[in-house]
Amino acid sequence: EPEVTQTPSHQVTQMGQEVILRCVPISNHLYFYWYRQILGQKVEFLVSFYNNEISEKSEIFDDQFSVERPDGSNFTLKIRSTKLEDSAMYFCASSAGQGIGEQFFGPGTRLTVL
Amino acid sequence: AQSVTQLGSHVSVSEGALVLLRCNYSSSVPPYLFWYVQYPNQGLQLLLKYTSAATLVKGINGFEAEFKKSETSFHLTKPSAHMSDAAEYFCAVSGTNRDDKIIFGKGTRLHILP
Repeated sequence: EPEVTQTPSHQVTQMGQEVILRCVPISNHLYFYWYRQILGQKVEFLVSFYNNEISEKSEIFDDQFSVERPDGSNFTLKIRSTKLEDSAMYFCASSAGQGIGEQFFGPGTRLTVL
Repeated sequence: AQSVTQLGSHVSVSEGALVLLRCNYSSSVPPYLFWYVQYPNQGLQLLLKYTSAATLVKGINGFEAEFKKSETSFHLTKPSAHMSDAAEYFCAVSGTNRDDKIIFGKGTRLHILP
């Protein structure tokens, strides 16, 4: 069964460093998303991406964040200069965009900023 | 604006007992509603979804939920709990456009007592 994959599963970085979180969406999907979950809090929407551009972004998704689909398979989230408060679980999701547009989620990357 | 409220961050039930996880939603447009489950160290898995067809929705693993517009509720139930049901459950809402973001509740951790 096709699934969304994410790497790495856990990333530890120093404050101020750049990180890139990687996702491989399901191959025939057209819509891509990033969400995050700070420990003990709800899962929050960050950004949606379609046709090589951002469809929608939340207030969290400021200039420090960017997304890219560098090739036909990967979808990346870059944080340019990490802050302590960026520590969270980051989930990638994708959907075919047909019918209900059900989103399939990856297992997440736990980002720890020291 | 859309939101969901899950009542109870932790719920404990005995094995074989009824599972009831409560969710109320707020939406200015007809919503799609979802329940996701997250097992330890895994991603978010869709349990079931409401998409304006039948108000009683059946999902995987014996779970079901009923959409009640008058009560703005979408409670999740299972007649008989199993040890393997121990997990975190998230109620979520989205609009009906194909690329709409999903808005999650804070989650309810379900504990199954032997």
